[in-house]
Amino acid sequence: DAKTTQPPSMDCAEGRAANLPCNHSTISGNEYVYWYRQIHSQGPQYIIHGLKNNETNEMASLIITEDRKSSTLILPHATLRDTAVYYCIVRGYHGSGNTGKLIFGQGTTLQVKP
Amino acid sequence: NAGVTQTPKFQVLKTGQSMTLQCAQDMNHEYMSWYRQDPGMGLRLIHYSVGAGITDQGEVPNGYNVSRSTTEDFPLRLLSAAPSQTSVYFCASSTGQPSDEKLFFGSGTQLSVL
Repeated sequence: DAKTTQPPSMDCAEGRAANLPCNHSTISGNEYVYWYRQIHSQGPQYIIHGLKNNETNEMASLIITEDRKSSTLILPHATLRDTAVYYCIVRGYHGSGNTGKLIFGQGTTLQVKP
Repeated sequence: NAGVTQTPKFQVLKTGQSMTLQCAQDMNHEYMSWYRQDPGMGLRLIHYSVGAGITDQGEVPNGYNVSRSTTEDFPLRLLSAAPSQTSVYFCASSTGQPSDEKLFFGSGTQLSVL
């Protein structure tokens, strides 16, 4: 599975959009980009995932560059409750089986400030 | 649905003691896994299972045993606890379907080994 690189920390003003970048320059054609977040010692929470098209759900938007070497998670209107560690993970679908091994890196600590 | 249930929430052991961390899910998920998280660190995969009767090692399997006799349960055993195993342990499950790595996490077990 491809390695990801994220900034260790970011700040965002409450009510503004939070844009969290992730670099995955070694991503291959069958690998998906997943985003999770972990709010203060709770279990991680799934946010969104995508392959090559941009994706949006009730929590966030995922923008994947055309060459798929990087992506951005967008929280459109950040609130104080969005303060968390955000993990970007690249995961491949291995043939007919899915071993399901998600490997978490260090993530980005997002601090939303009033 | 209760989702993923972990017990106990807190545990203190003495070096050399053994114990089992319990994990159960009621979503009929095929895939289950165990992670540990040390202070200020990301999650590291210990063991995982892609179905009843099938288990495999993750990044940090030493000192831990697992078994999967039913779809619902995936206990993690510490045979002889060591201070280095002081950590927060998270259990997770997913459908294990291709292109769907949406993991559901339990609330965690905080383990201290003295």
